[in-house]
Amino acid sequence: DTGVSQNPRHKITKRGQNVTFRCDPISEHNRLYWYRQTLGQGPEFLTYFQNEAQLEKSRLLSDRFSAERPKGSFSTLEIQRTEQGDSAMYLCASSPQARQETQYFGPGTRLLVL
Amino acid sequence: QQQVKQSPQSLIVQKGGIPIINCAYENTAFDYFPWYQQFPGKGPALLIAIRPDVSEKKEGRFTISFNKSAKQFSLHIMDSQPGDSATYFCAAVEYGNKLVFGAGTILRVKS
Repeated sequence: DTGVSQNPRHKITKRGQNVTFRCDPISEHNRLYWYRQTLGQGPEFLTYFQNEAQLEKSRLLSDRFSAERPKGSFSTLEIQRTEQGDSAMYLCASSPQARQETQYFGPGTRLLVL
Repeated sequence: QQQVKQSPQSLIVQKGGIPIINCAYENTAFDYFPWYQQFPGKGPALLIAIRPDVSEKKEGRFTISFNKSAKQFSLHIMDSQPGDSATYFCAAVEYGNKLVFGAGTILRVKS
């Protein structure tokens, strides 16, 4: 069990650029979640997948955000036309079929938009 | 609207002390209540969790107390150590759904 991995760990970009983050869940975990955490706050839910199906999206996920999990394994989160307000830690979590409420988090991707 | 309210915002205790972090919720559909520990620059790590049909759960030095009628639950850390210094988040989840987090408590254990 290698845990949830996320890449890159840090990303600095200029306002208006597009960025893409990758999450590799724990092997055989069928659920994958994306959260966003700003400084001094708890993580906030963005979206989640069961296998390759995206089942729910938060109102926080504007049209500039898109997430995919094409083969039910890894997932990508893309932010188009980044804004300074997008600066945050983006966290990925996964959970197994038998215990879907038990979510294990990755180390996160810290995004800074200049 | 904050569905899970956590207090205090920060806490300082001496080594060996018992910090207590409290959380309250409103949504009675929540049926699983985990606590996460987060160190700076790291992702949250699952510490301990409880279901509402249990009033107390212990794992090592960590204990959750749960009061279903009051819709409150708390984390106690026995014999706290400097290595326990971190941010602690309570959370709640509706079956098969997203986690709703509290705002977090920054704990510092002084040696």
